[in-house]
Amino acid sequence: GESVGLHLPTLSVQEGDNSIINCAYSNSASDYFIWYKQESGKGPQFIIDIRSNMDKRQGQRVTVLLNKTVKHLSLQIAATQPGDSAVYFCAESPANQAGTALIFGKGTTLSVSS
Amino acid sequence: KAGVTQTPRYLIKTRGQQVTLSCSPISGHRSVSWYQQTPGQGLQFLFEYFSETQRNKGNFPGRFSGRQFSNSRSEMNVSTLELGDSALYLCASSLLASGGGSHEQFFGPGTRLTVL
Repeated sequence: GESVGLHLPTLSVQEGDNSIINCAYSNSASDYFIWYKQESGKGPQFIIDIRSNMDKRQGQRVTVLLNKTVKHLSLQIAATQPGDSAVYFCAESPANQAGTALIFGKGTTLSVSS
Repeated sequence: KAGVTQTPRYLIKTRGQQVTLSCSPISGHRSVSWYQQTPGQGLQFLFEYFSETQRNKGNFPGRFSGRQFSNSRSEMNVSTLELGDSALYLCASSLLASGGGSHEQFFGPGTRLTVL
């Protein structure tokens, strides 16, 4: 089936390190990708998105890279802080699907120790 | 601007009962999507409503239904509850215009449903 998955279920880093969270997607027709952060007891929070006509997009302390050749998506967090500890999900939006339905990966739990 | 609100936040039901969950989108957003989140299956798309019409539906049984009102508020209903329906039900709203535009979805805090 079509799904978006993450390579690692957990990632532990030290405060100040750079974090890289990876995601592989299977639907080459997907044209929109998003990273969400979910803290305990809260709904997913939008971090950054990227369309398939781009390879890289930068935000505040975050960068998303898209490699369409190998269908790979990554989220880079610079100078990781304890407040970045959360579950991170990548999601894709298939181009042939009406509406805003997103297909989510399983998530990577990022733990930041100080 | 107020975010997406969901009521109730927590709910306990028994097998066989039915439940209705409510979602109020961000003011001006006309698209509302519902997702089920469980530890085993992760986040799964239930359905999406836009201008009171269901535009898309995920792979869930007919016991799961929804509707949207003229003010864009949405409700989802689950009938004949099963133990496996225990989950966090998330609502997300979007400005998405028909045919394109930003897909950015803003999620509410969710309703935690426990079926005993």
